[in-house]
Amino acid sequence: DGGITQSPKYLFRKEGQNVTLSCEQNLNHDAMYWYRQDPGQGLRLIYYSQIVNDFQKGDIAEGYSVSREKKESFPLTVTSAQKNPTAFYLCASKPEGGGTQPQHFGDGTRLSIL
Amino acid sequence: DAKTTQPTSMDCAEGRAANLPCNHSTISGNEYVYWYRQIHSQGPQYIIHGLKNNETNEMASLIITEDRKSSTLILPHATLRDTAVYYCIVRNSGAGSYQLTFGKGTKLSVIP
Repeated sequence: DGGITQSPKYLFRKEGQNVTLSCEQNLNHDAMYWYRQDPGQGLRLIYYSQIVNDFQKGDIAEGYSVSREKKESFPLTVTSAQKNPTAFYLCASKPEGGGTQPQHFGDGTRLSIL
Repeated sequence: DAKTTQPTSMDCAEGRAANLPCNHSTISGNEYVYWYRQIHSQGPQYIIHGLKNNETNEMASLIITEDRKSSTLILPHATLRDTAVYYCIVRNSGAGSYQLTFGKGTKLSVIP
């Protein structure tokens, strides 16, 4: 089945450690997105990529980094510079950056600090 | 993108229609209305979207008023599995519109 796969489902980070969240899609979508969700809050955009080898900062990019070397993959690294990383992280994709097609989401990764 | 206003919470009896309202009085001509829902600890699920005509799919119907300042998502026969937070989002279709702005949504509780 086509879809978006995020792994792991749960992740724990030690102080000062970088961690990488995986997002893979087999929908042949050009555009991919990373959002952060805090308890009881809406989603906030971290980074997005409209095409391979290109990505842009969203509203809260500080302390995060991404790469887009393959169309199907858009990993997010939470660096030690992100002082409050505990959150629910969601990856999404859509066929193209513009247009009216909806974004589709993975099931998320919940990151906690040890 | 235009701002949306939704009730914080709603209840609906199982088997009845759930009607979820959304106000988007500042919507502009090229902005679409999207609905998503999020079940606890899962990613948001796309439901439906529209511009000005009413839309229906296998999940729901979307009714947009003629002036486009408000809309209603209708789940025709609510089940317990429809309990979720429902988000109404307005977004234009331009190439620069790269994100969805999620507010706090409406928490729908379907009651047996």
